[in-house]
Amino acid sequence: GQSLEQPSEVTAVEGAIVQINCTYQTSGFYGLSWYQQHDGGAPTFLSYNALDGLEETGRFSSFLSRSDSYGYLLLQELQMKDSASYFCAGVYNQGGKLIFGQGTELSVKP
Amino acid sequence: EAGVVQSPRYKIIEKKQPVAFWCNPISGHNTLYWYRQNLGQGPELLIRYENEEAVDDSQLPKDRFSAERLKGVDSTLKIQPAELGDSAVYLCASSPNPFSKDNEQFFGPGTRLTVL
Repeated sequence: GQSLEQPSEVTAVEGAIVQINCTYQTSGFYGLSWYQQHDGGAPTFLSYNALDGLEETGRFSSFLSRSDSYGYLLLQELQMKDSASYFCAGVYNQGGKLIFGQGTELSVKP
Repeated sequence: EAGVVQSPRYKIIEKKQPVAFWCNPISGHNTLYWYRQNLGQGPELLIRYENEEAVDDSQLPKDRFSAERLKGVDSTLKIQPAELGDSAVYLCASSPNPFSKDNEQFFGPGTRLTVL
């Protein structure tokens, strides 16, 4: 199958670091993407990992381990504006298909 | 550069009525996707177009849903007749091609459909 699992919600305080984990099924798996979606907004692309290891983009980093069928999104120096839903999305069939997880709602508290 | 444009942003209809959603992708993007997002869930692919050809419509409920992408640019998604369970946000996305370096898809703001 092709499904992804992630926690439904996470709460953290401003300035902290939070990690959102994602596990996926491997059949046809090609890579792992992360998207951010604010309430009522469009999903926006954050990162993509095709190879094992860490990808860093500013305050956000994403990690993939193919041997463990696992990835995570790391958000550092949390800001109030980071409160949103975060979706891991598996890229399947060599790029032809995105399968989204159910999303993790991140609440950043003062 | 203009993003993906969708209209209408909101639509309220009664069950059994028809409804249509329109999407204009980013200029030059050959690949267009329609997704449905239920409340508290991730987007689910309904159909993917490469230019004017529907290359993946396996998740499209074909008894009531139809889509077209004439001339390989704009696209329309239709539901006829709508059911209560169709209430959701319908998202359109586009990409230069499905095999681009980061596989990034660019999403529009969506159409929030409420079926009463």
